[in-house]
Amino acid sequence: IQLTQSPSFLSASVGDRVTIPCRASQYIGSYLAWYQQKPGKAPKLLIYAASTLQSGVPSRFSGSGSGTEFTLTISSLQPEDFATYYCQHLSSYPFAFGPGTKVDIK
Amino acid sequence: EVQLVESGGSVVRRGGSLRLSCAASGFIFDDYGMSWVRLAPGKGLEWVSSINWNGGSKGYADSVKGRITISRDNAKNSLYLQMNSLRDEDTAVYYCARVDGSGDLRRFDPWGQGTLVTVSS
Repeated sequence: IQLTQSPSFLSASVGDRVTIPCRASQYIGSYLAWYQQKPGKAPKLLIYAASTLQSGVPSRFSGSGSGTEFTLTISSLQPEDFATYYCQHLSSYPFAFGPGTKVDIK
Repeated sequence: EVQLVESGGSVVRRGGSLRLSCAASGFIFDDYGMSWVRLAPGKGLEWVSSINWNGGSKGYADSVKGRITISRDNAKNSLYLQMNSLRDEDTAVYYCARVDGSGDLRRFDPWGQGTLVTVSS
């Protein structure tokens, strides 16, 4: 199973609504997680089971989709949200990650 | 506090070997599966390997199969990654992560701070 994320780069402004898509090459149900990574830091879990918000993650983050099409949405982009976002499927080995979408400042 | 601390990263010659360790604390280690993920310079996250709670089930990325072995010692609350026949493309920061949940609730959380492996010629 391969995951694709397009675009690879996304420029946005503080306050923008941002949507980041992730597509699976095969049906994976809801076996999808989203992570945020900033330079020099470990990845941080945002969403699991496609749409469940991890405890402590701001409610401006949300996930949707099932099957092969998924989306991470940031309802109002904050300065601390500029980072790279990865989707990952966990339906079976290999637990592959998507190539990532980097969100930077417009 | 749940904590994962990796160690063992260093500069190693191409073709050489290295063993990474991940010390876990703050949770019942043998209740969880564990994983290794790496981030190479200029690249994205790559899943490397996972192991279930008792070591009875292991998975590997095709890029490392046959060269890398994951293992765990539940008595020592530790996860390991034995890396052999190292290649330039193995240069990366290696993270260990706990596999939380089961079924479609499965996820990697938390993560350690990472340990750097550099393969040189």
